[in-house]
Amino acid sequence: KAGVTQTPRYLIKTRGQQVTLSCSPISGHRSVSWYQQTPGQGLQFLFEYFSETQRNKGNFPGRFSGRQFSNSRSEMNVSTLELGDSALYLCASSLVSRSEIQETQYFGPGTRLLVL
Amino acid sequence: GENVEQHPSTLSVQEGDSAVIKCTYSDSASNYFPWYKQELGKRPQLIIDIRSNVGEKKDQRIAVTLNKTAKHFSLHITETQPEDSAVYFCAAPHRASGTYKYIFGTGTRLKVLA
Repeated sequence: KAGVTQTPRYLIKTRGQQVTLSCSPISGHRSVSWYQQTPGQGLQFLFEYFSETQRNKGNFPGRFSGRQFSNSRSEMNVSTLELGDSALYLCASSLVSRSEIQETQYFGPGTRLLVL
Repeated sequence: GENVEQHPSTLSVQEGDSAVIKCTYSDSASNYFPWYKQELGKRPQLIIDIRSNVGEKKDQRIAVTLNKTAKHFSLHITETQPEDSAVYFCAAPHRASGTYKYIFGTGTRLKVLA
């Protein structure tokens, strides 16, 4: 099976702009989680989508949002970009047959966002 | 609260020596613990995982041990090689909103000196 893919791989934006990142999970995986990775903060959980519904959300401001489509592909959007949003944004997919199952997550290559 | 503590933050070992990284979690309902390796500029890759029905799991030079009572688990790498140099992350699931989200440790930068 093909792995998790993310587009674009690199982005340069300026403060105040908005950005949309895309994630395609492994075929058959229905859960997609998003993480922000920075040198100082490590991997921080943004949100998780399952069957087009947001099931979990991390401690990020409302400028960070996401959605999931019927084919399980997911997008995340960041509005009104700030310098501190510069980071590697990773998505991870998992099978998740039932909500009580703790499943393995597989990561995409990430989108590196630089905000100037 | 939701927390995964990982130690040490950096670790340097001589090639051929062993390396041990430890993590502590807080959610007693957690029963699956993965370890990821992230090389520079690459995605985190799952290298080994363990479920709470076993205390230890091995895969060639890599092993993971779990102590559910103490809520900690460890990664052991034996006969380290230069290609083991990377950042290693542990993770533990934390129950939220009827399902689970993963909390990651802050990472351990392992340097294997040739």
